[in-house]
Amino acid sequence: QVQLQESGPGPVKPSETLSLTCTVSGDSVSSGGSYWSWIRQPPGKGLEWIGYIYYSGSTNYNPSLKSRVSISLDTSKNQFSLKVTSVTAADTAVYYCAREAFHFDSSGYYYYYGVDVWGHGTTVTVSS
Amino acid sequence: AIQMTQYPSSLSASVGDRVSITCRASQAIRNGLSWYQQKPGKAPKLLIYAASTLQSGVPSRFSGSGSGTDFTLTISSLRPEDFATYYCLHDFNYPRTFGQGTKVEV
Repeated sequence: QVQLQESGPGPVKPSETLSLTCTVSGDSVSSGGSYWSWIRQPPGKGLEWIGYIYYSGSTNYNPSLKSRVSISLDTSKNQFSLKVTSVTAADTAVYYCAREAFHFDSSGYYYYYGVDVWGHGTTVTVSS
Repeated sequence: AIQMTQYPSSLSASVGDRVSITCRASQAIRNGLSWYQQKPGKAPKLLIYAASTLQSGVPSRFSGSGSGTDFTLTISSLRPEDFATYYCLHDFNYPRTFGQGTKVEV
């Protein structure tokens, strides 16, 4: 059973950097077939996709955050991490790490299986 | 970015009702849509992917349909545990975008 667990320092001050880590169990961040993603949800609002990292190290970020976001892998610890720089109150949210599952068949056809595993979420509050 | 318009934003229903929620994409996305259920204080849960494929373990009263720009999530007979907020998500390209959510309440 695949499980994801977010961890982070808690409150962050405006203009500082938010850093979160997701620890993966039951799967390997070094294997193909999954994008390792971050998604957030401001209080009382909907979901926003932040970005993903693939086992190769390739990344894809939401343009709305692109200049401030980076996602990295630590294969030795089976973890991936999120950094958001220059945070403001608008970055206050529950942050979820998640797995997007997919595969390519022998013909190169792409199958996407949705965001099938989510962490429990961690609340990050940006406040002075 | 593709915009996902989800409606209604909320609906009132009773146990046993048939409920339908719609998502419309701002451009054609083939069958690149998934549906999620979220209960208060919990992470979303995948219900359906590829527009109509039921995720393993999800009850068969949930179904999805549609292709192109218009998609529907249907709950055939609402159960007490189905009162929650539902989101659609497109996976046609990046960035992924979610619908605004539909709260199903009593």
